[in-house]
This record gives sequence, structure tokens and C-alpha cells, in this order.
Amino acid sequence: AQSVTQPDIHITVSEGASLELRCNYSYGATPYLFWYVQSPGQGLQLLLKYFSGDTLVQGIKGFEAEFKRSQSSFNLRKPSVHWSDAAEYFCAVGAWNRDDKIIFGKGTRLHILP
Amino acid sequence: NAGVTQTPKFRVLKTGQSMTLLCAQDMNHEYMYWYRQDPGMGLRLIHYSVGEGTTAKGEVPDGYNVSRLKKQNFLLGLESAAPSQTSVYFCASVYLADREQYFGPGTRLTVT
Repeated sequence: AQSVTQPDIHITVSEGASLELRCNYSYGATPYLFWYVQSPGQGLQLLLKYFSGDTLVQGIKGFEAEFKRSQSSFNLRKPSVHWSDAAEYFCAVGAWNRDDKIIFGKGTRLHILP
Repeated sequence: NAGVTQTPKFRVLKTGQSMTLLCAQDMNHEYMYWYRQDPGMGLRLIHYSVGEGTTAKGEVPDGYNVSRLKKQNFLLGLESAAPSQTSVYFCASVYLADREQYFGPGTRLTVT
């Protein structure tokens, strides 16, 4: 069965430091992938998506992610975090020409130290 | 365009009561999804639909039923609510060309 793993439940970084959030997936088909952000009490906002082509994708708010098929990973990065980036981040995966499910990871909560 | 709307926004039920959550989209999207969100569990797929009149089970379908009688509406039903169904429920519709999900604002359901 397909699955999405976000190994880190919580991550704490200092403001201005770089960030990498991990996402690993298990799918039997070519995936398409998303990263979403959710602030407390809010809905989900799409940060970026990968469907095909260039494996390094740029998103909003200065985020980027790299799809690595050999590692089944789609890690999210930001070179310098801001206090406003504190939120929960979700990776989601679907598969072309499969059952059209889109499955989410359990999320990583990002804390920012001043 | 309203996008994706969910009705109601909040609801409190007693154990054993039934209710229906309505998701409506005005973007002519083919696919629609129901998720539940619980702390530490992320979003878990309950049921989804790839077109009018079709539905399929997701990761956690037990205790829920769905219907997609009209393309723009996707209903989630709880026949006999249980405290374990206390959650925030999100609906999403999908633009078929790129599978991007458009989420509703959520429904907060409490079952006592």
C-alpha cells in the first residue's frame, strides 16, 4: 500500500538558519508530490508541487523541494527561515494512472527560535 | 467564484446521532476528497470520488458514507456518530490536469 513518511515530528531552527524537512514515500507508480503548510487554526496552503520534468521545484515563500526518485524522497528546503515560517508542514503524494488517492504524511511542526 | 465551501463550519453531536457534511465546489472539478485531521496524524483520506455517481474508499472509511449525486457536491455522512469521530474534516476538489487540490475551510465536529 502507498505511504508517506515524514520522519521528524518536530523541528526547531533559529531564525535565519537553513531548513530541510524530510519526506519519503512508498508508491508502486510514478508519483506526483506536494508540500503544504498549515498555520494553527488555519487551512492548508500549497507551497509547491512536482509532477514531472525538472526535479528541483520552486515554490512560494522562498521554499524549494527536490524530487529524488532513487531515494523515494521529496525534501523541502529553505535557505533562511523567518519567524513567520513557524507552522506545520505536510507532504502529500499521489500516483499517475493509479487509484487517484492522494495521501498525506503526518506532518512536521516547525518551531523558530528568535 | 466561491471555490470549495463546507457546511457547517462547526457541529456538536451526541453519540449515536447522525449528520451530513456538505462539500460544494464551483470549479467544475472532476475529483473530490474527504479527509479528517487529528493531532499528530496528519490528514487521513476517508473517501473520494473521481466523478459524478462514483465513490471509493480511502484510508479510514469505516463509520462514514459518501454520495456524489451532482458533480459539484460531495456529501459525507455519519450514520451513528462516535466520540472517535471528533475531528476536523476537510474537503478538497482536484483540477484533473495537474491534480492540484483545492481545500475547503474545514468543519470542526465534536461528538460527546
